[in-house]
Amino acid sequence: AQKVTQAQTEISVVEKEDVTLDCVYETRDTTYYLFWYKQPPSGELVFLIRRNSFDEQNEISGRYSWNFQKSTSSFNFTITASQVVDSAVYFCALSEAETSGSRLTFGEGTQLTVNP
Amino acid sequence: DAGITQSPRYKITETGRQVTLMCHQTWSHSYMFWYRQDLGHGLRLIYYSAAADITDKGEVPDGYVVSRSKTENFPLTLESATRSQTSVYFCASSEFRGFYEQYFGPGTRLTVT
Repeated sequence: AQKVTQAQTEISVVEKEDVTLDCVYETRDTTYYLFWYKQPPSGELVFLIRRNSFDEQNEISGRYSWNFQKSTSSFNFTITASQVVDSAVYFCALSEAETSGSRLTFGEGTQLTVNP
Repeated sequence: DAGITQSPRYKITETGRQVTLMCHQTWSHSYMFWYRQDLGHGLRLIYYSAAADITDKGEVPDGYVVSRSKTENFPLTLESATRSQTSVYFCASSEFRGFYEQYFGPGTRLTVT
C-alpha cells in the first residue's frame, strides 16, 4: 500500500532562512507521481508541483526547489530565503499509476511558520 | 464563477440528521474527489468519480453516499451524521486520472453536535 511520511510536524524559521521540508514515500509501483500542495491559513489547497517516477531531475521555481531521489524514496521541498507569506501547511502526496490509479495519498503535513 | 465551488462553506447539524455537501466545477474535468481533513490524519479520500455515473470508494467511505448524474456536480451526503464526521471536507477535480494534479475547492467546515 502506498504511504507518505512527513516526519516534521512543525518547523519554525526566521525570515530569509532556507528551510527544507522532508517527504518520504513507500510504493511498490514502478510508475507513480509525487505532488506538493500548500495550505495557507485561509484554508484552500494550492497545487505546487507534480513529478513522475521517471523524472529525477531537480526542479526550481523561483525560491522553491524540489529534490527527488528514488534511491532514498524521498521528494524534499526547499524554500530559499523564506518569507512570512510562506507560512502554511505543506502536504506531500503520492499517486500510484498502476495500483491505485486515481487515488492521492497525502502525508500528514508540515506546518511551516516563518517569523519576521 | 470559473473553478470549483463548494456549498455550504460552514454547516452545523445534529447527530442523526442527513446532510448534503455540494461541489460544482466549471472545467468539465472528468475526475472528481471528496476528501476529509482531520488533525493528525492529513487528507483522506472518501469517494471519487471517474465520470458521470461512475463512482468508487476511497479510504474512508463508511457513512457517506455520493452520486454524479452530471459531470460538473458531485454531491456528498452524510446519511445519518455522527460526531466523528465533524471535519473539513474538500472537493477536488482533475482533468485526467488522479495522478494529474487535482484542484481543490475552498472546503466545507462541518460540525456535528
